[in-house]
Amino acid sequence: EVQLKESGGGVVKPGGSLRLSCSASSFTFENYAMTWVRQAPGRGLEWVSSISSNSRYIYYGESVKGRFTTSRDNAKSSLFLQMNSLRVEDTAVYYCAKGPTKVIEDWFDLWGQGTLVTVSS
Amino acid sequence: QSVLTQPPSVSAAPGQEVTVSCSGTSSNIGNNLVSWYQIVPGAAPKLLIYDNNKRPSGIPDRFSGSKSGTSATLGITGLQTGDEADYYCGTWDSSLTGVVFGGGTKVTVL
Repeated sequence: EVQLKESGGGVVKPGGSLRLSCSASSFTFENYAMTWVRQAPGRGLEWVSSISSNSRYIYYGESVKGRFTTSRDNAKSSLFLQMNSLRVEDTAVYYCAKGPTKVIEDWFDLWGQGTLVTVSS
Repeated sequence: QSVLTQPPSVSAAPGQEVTVSCSGTSSNIGNNLVSWYQIVPGAAPKLLIYDNNKRPSGIPDRFSGSKSGTSATLGITGLQTGDEADYYCGTWDSSLTGVVFGGGTKVTVL
């Protein structure tokens, strides 16, 4: 079954760090751009970051720029989100999502079920 | 505050039709393509519409999308209880250089 599965969420104190992973299965991961999207409790979706298939292009939303780093390991069909200097407002369910092509686009045809990150003292 | 504006909720009886609006500006919807997603609590988000009005394989034709100027609309006909979910529009914003989404609309089947 074609799917994405996020892991690595949890509770962390403000200023702390966390690394999320997204494992892809049943499709050729290296052929697609990938994206992180988050949803804070009671809020709408917020785009976090996108990475092209070969990692040449990586974009970040303004609210996470300089604090979060997106990377991927095509050999392991995995996407990562290193989150540093975490803030209370980073509390959200983090989804990984697959783009339709190798280049970064603005729509996503496969999503994971998400992993919850809670930033609290 | 989301960049794209959606109504918080819409509702209709089973078998009826609902529309969900998504309003933006020339920086986003006005000059870019729109997609729509369905989120059922506890499930992964699902792509319903891309490129304004195209449906991925497996999405029934009860779901439709359209765009005019700086607004887009998702239509759902023959409403079913399984359609109860939150629906989000999304597009690229040229000014923000990133993807933007609406605040979401909860569809309730009465």
